[in-house]
Amino acid sequence: GENVEQHPSTLSVQEGDSAVIKCTYSDSASNYFPWYKQELGKRPQLIIDIRSNVGEKKDQRIAVTLNKTAKHFSLHITETQPEDSAVYFCAASMGGNEKLTFGTGTRLTIIP
Amino acid sequence: NAGVMQNPRHLVRRRGQEARLRCSPMKGHSHVYWYRQLPEEGLKFMVYLQKENIIDESGMPKERFSAEFPKEGPSILRIQQVVRGDSAAYFCASSPSRGFSTDTQYFGPGTRLTVL
Repeated sequence: GENVEQHPSTLSVQEGDSAVIKCTYSDSASNYFPWYKQELGKRPQLIIDIRSNVGEKKDQRIAVTLNKTAKHFSLHITETQPEDSAVYFCAASMGGNEKLTFGTGTRLTIIP
Repeated sequence: NAGVMQNPRHLVRRRGQEARLRCSPMKGHSHVYWYRQLPEEGLKFMVYLQKENIIDESGMPKERFSAEFPKEGPSILRIQQVVRGDSAAYFCASSPSRGFSTDTQYFGPGTRLTVL
């Protein structure tokens, strides 16, 4: 089955700087890659996703890149703010209502 | 448009009791997924259901756990004879059955199960 690895497990960034979180996946059939943000005690919230027919997607301060050949994808957050502090999870699936396989999470702390 | 609903939000059970967790998907969604999150860990897939059908239960423990999504009413995850190791947050997610975003899953607030 699919295996998703995520790095780093913790990340501290000065406010205003950029943060990058990286994930690799094992199953070349995966074609849908969402990123979720989870604050303490809250539900995972979808912040951005990418499908295998594109290499990059941006939404304001958040961007995701995908390299299908290398089987890795990354989350980029620019101009970080204190409210970006949370745990971020990457995931992969084969799309079309298939299950998500999650990475182990990255605890991002923004230092004011 | 209400999001995914789960209840109860918190559930305390003693060892050996039964736990029933309920999930109502978003309006217009007919696909339901259950995930378990142990403390300080990621989310692990348990089961995927459509109305009256279990599509994928590859993540379900072989014993004590069962799930259903009846024609009417919410999806239910049932844990019999709970043990302390069942203590976790159980999240339900739903996705639409038609359109471009059938792969997008939206999560409910979770049920935090504590087994004493």
